[in-house]
Amino acid sequence: SQQGEEDPQALSIQEGENATMNCSYKTSINNLQWYRQNSGRGLVHLILIRSNEREKHSGRLRVTLDTSKKSSSLLITASRAADTASYFCATAPGGSRLTFGEGTQLTVNP
Amino acid sequence: DTEVTQTPKHLVMGMTNKKSLKCEQHMGHRAMYWYKQKAKKPPELMFVYSYEKLSINESVPSRFSPECPNSSLLNLHLHALQPEDSALYLCASSQDARILWEQYFGPGTRLTVT
Repeated sequence: SQQGEEDPQALSIQEGENATMNCSYKTSINNLQWYRQNSGRGLVHLILIRSNEREKHSGRLRVTLDTSKKSSSLLITASRAADTASYFCATAPGGSRLTFGEGTQLTVNP
Repeated sequence: DTEVTQTPKHLVMGMTNKKSLKCEQHMGHRAMYWYKQKAKKPPELMFVYSYEKLSINESVPSRFSPECPNSSLLNLHLHALQPEDSALYLCASSQDARILWEQYFGPGTRLTVT
């Protein structure tokens, strides 16, 4: 079974708006990662947040982590059409197997 | 160079064929991975190589045979596949197999089994 579940499954917004997607996981983690995948292509690593961090920024991305609730969120500010992609959270519960959530399909309309 | 390359981009094969997928990285990474991804689903781990040795096999059927000839190359040999094996096959690498490191993915090989 998948370690992470993402919410929402699909999100459609207008350019310039902010997009927020959430990830919940089941077991304790050392870190949580977010990846982006453009249609039918490889995944691109976006950001890694360690279990002792609560918030991390990278450009227009902001990631939060709440280990007490076993959840994380990814915020993309001032979205662009080029942000249209699937976004996956990933954890490695108890070992070196990276396990991905089901993903959120983000569509940014021009 | 932060690129992972995969060949071929597309592959169509019959159930009796033998083919190979290739993956290459020149980042000095010592861990390499094979994932399988079905449409609208997340990637699923198949194999992990750490320092050129197979460290994880996620109970993958023997018709998939991985090989790591050296630290930069990873192959996936395919034989007697089934139509349900049609998927996007992704290769990835990381500095090593410890959980703290991000993974770099190739663009994938789109495999169709007829």
